[in-house]
Amino acid sequence: AQKITQTQPGMFVQEKEAVTLDCTYDTSDPSYGLFWYKQPSSGEMIFLIYQGSYDQQNATEGRYSLNFQKARKSANLVISASQLGDSAMYFCAMREGLLTGANNLFFGTGTRLTVIP
Amino acid sequence: EAQVTQNPRYLITVTGKKLTVTCSQNMNHEYMSWYRQDPGLGLRQIYYSMNVEVTDKGDVPEGYKVSRKEKRNFPLILESPSPNQTSLYFCASSLESGGTEAFFGQGTRLTVV
Repeated sequence: AQKITQTQPGMFVQEKEAVTLDCTYDTSDPSYGLFWYKQPSSGEMIFLIYQGSYDQQNATEGRYSLNFQKARKSANLVISASQLGDSAMYFCAMREGLLTGANNLFFGTGTRLTVIP
Repeated sequence: EAQVTQNPRYLITVTGKKLTVTCSQNMNHEYMSWYRQDPGLGLRQIYYSMNVEVTDKGDVPEGYKVSRKEKRNFPLILESPSPNQTSLYFCASSLESGGTEAFFGQGTRLTVV
């Protein structure tokens, strides 16, 4: 089974609107971390936001927020007030076994977001 | 400036010709890893290192070698590259294996013909 599933290969959003990028994960480990990365056309991987499995509140970083629904095993990324520069590939990732020294970051297949002027 | 530096950024080589992609970080991070990115597959871990002289296989280690003789450097070695190793490669580092953020290098686009 896939550890991380991103079901939206591509998304479009109007500039200044909010958009939600979906991510579901699969783990039986109680201690894990969820990450979102942005990959613009230039190719670099840019860390956006992190959510730990024991965090009580949803993570927020500026215009990015993570809608963490533990029971549903989902960690959707919400981008508010989209900007043209948000057009990029977005990857959801998970690291398991944080308390035991986890070593692998599992990535989803990504969602390509296009912001329309 | 905190960064992870990979070299080269682009490389075209022929089947069987040994090559090394270098990775260096200036953040004194213990944990470093290598990923390959292929269309439709996301990023997959090749090898990782939890500290100097400690390396282990990730999900797709076949055809690759690594070494960690110094904390800052983690080169990826392809002893006999094949066309199926054509990919975009990323090196990453973090303060510890369970760290909340991994810093990625700029990527190395490798083509094996």
